[in-house]
Amino acid sequence: NAGVTQTPKFRVLKTGQSMTLLCAQDMNHEYMYWYRQDPGMGLRLIHYSVGEGTTAKGEVPDGYNVSRLKKQNFLLGLESAAPSQTSVYFCASRGARATSYEQYFGPGTRLTVT
Amino acid sequence: AQSVTQLGSHVSVSEGALVLLRCNYSSSVPPYLFWYVQYPNQGLQLLLKYTSAATLVKGINGFEAEFKKSETSFHLTKPSAHMSDAAEYFCAVSGANTGNQFYFGTGTSLTVIP
Repeated sequence: NAGVTQTPKFRVLKTGQSMTLLCAQDMNHEYMYWYRQDPGMGLRLIHYSVGEGTTAKGEVPDGYNVSRLKKQNFLLGLESAAPSQTSVYFCASRGARATSYEQYFGPGTRLTVT
Repeated sequence: AQSVTQLGSHVSVSEGALVLLRCNYSSSVPPYLFWYVQYPNQGLQLLLKYTSAATLVKGINGFEAEFKKSETSFHLTKPSAHMSDAAEYFCAVSGANTGNQFYFGTGTSLTVIP
């Protein structure tokens, strides 16, 4: 049981390039989330999904797109990277529909945009 | 609306001393509250959670937190700090009116002085 995994672990992009971050979970969780973490700002929600084929915007969705084609995978895309998107990105998942259930986090992807 | 405030972005304690990390929340409905720990270059790991059962919650690694509704607080404590407790700590809140989202505080960095 690997939990939540993220690919890649590190990436350097030039401004304007595109990339996709992959999140995979093997816990059969319904809900999945993408956050970005910046110094002094905690975790900010980018997008989330409440089930296969559904996505919703979080607090800071601009410049990102997501897809949830399979229940176990949640992809985060950057179509045209900007230096402001330099950050550490975390994926999380949560089971059941009760808001009392905790989120499980992946190890993170450190992205640098030059 | 839900929000979380963590007082003190940096806390330093001596090894063996009491650890107290503060978290206050605002919520119009009974909240579920969580403390997560993040070690350097890792994802977030759940320390403990409050889900309306006992107000004093015990977690991993000797940490505990007390839910105080009258003070809208959920402070994290540990009687005796250990060097291995040095990490970033995040408080988070969810609830019946947050939809499927968690709201995180901006984090407190704990330094343990030998």
